[in-house]
Amino acid sequence: SQTIHQWPATLVQPVGSPLSLECTVEGTSNPNLYWYRQAAGRGLQLLFYSVGIGQISSEVPQNLSASRPQDRQFILSSKKLLLSDSGFYLCAWGPPPPLAGVRETQYFGPGTRLLVL
Amino acid sequence: EDQVTQSPEALRLQEGESSSLNCSYTVSGLRGLFWYRQDPGKGPEFLFTLYSAGEEKEKERLKATLTKKESFLHITAPKPEDSATYLCAVRPPGYSSASKIIFGSGTRLSIRP
Repeated sequence: SQTIHQWPATLVQPVGSPLSLECTVEGTSNPNLYWYRQAAGRGLQLLFYSVGIGQISSEVPQNLSASRPQDRQFILSSKKLLLSDSGFYLCAWGPPPPLAGVRETQYFGPGTRLLVL
Repeated sequence: EDQVTQSPEALRLQEGESSSLNCSYTVSGLRGLFWYRQDPGKGPEFLFTLYSAGEEKEKERLKATLTKKESFLHITAPKPEDSATYLCAVRPPGYSSASKIIFGSGTRLSIRP
């Protein structure tokens, strides 16, 4: 079965400091990978997605970047955090087309709570 | 622009009081509608996939149904452990290697003992 890990679980960082959040997936190959941010009481905002190693697409212009150095590893980074970067960050994986039928969805990790002070 | 709207934003029920959550979408020709459950401080947990109007899926006290414009998540005789935020998401039509899905803002369900 597939599992998805995120770390750290919680992070408190000062404004202007760098950020690195990591996500790894087990039990599948060549997954699509996604980074979302969820503000308190809000829906999920897609930040980045990746369909393969080194392939990153950005959905929202911002202070963040993403990288995929290995097939099942997805990293979210920032050089200098802003107060507005605070939130709950979720990594998700999904099977890639054409293997994915229309019924396939995305599966989420446990999330990282980031507080920028 | 494709949109997914969930209502109500919050719902408080007494234990055993059945009700329904609504998810309406403007996407035409969607390629899948998904329901998730999210507990506070945790990632969303996948519950159901619906694809065709008239389709129904059940899991314990939850039943999801789909029409051409909306989906309902019916909860029958809920228990306090059913308290969570329920998220709806849709996959728009058209091929995309990214297989992106669009989320609603969720319904916060609270069940009082």
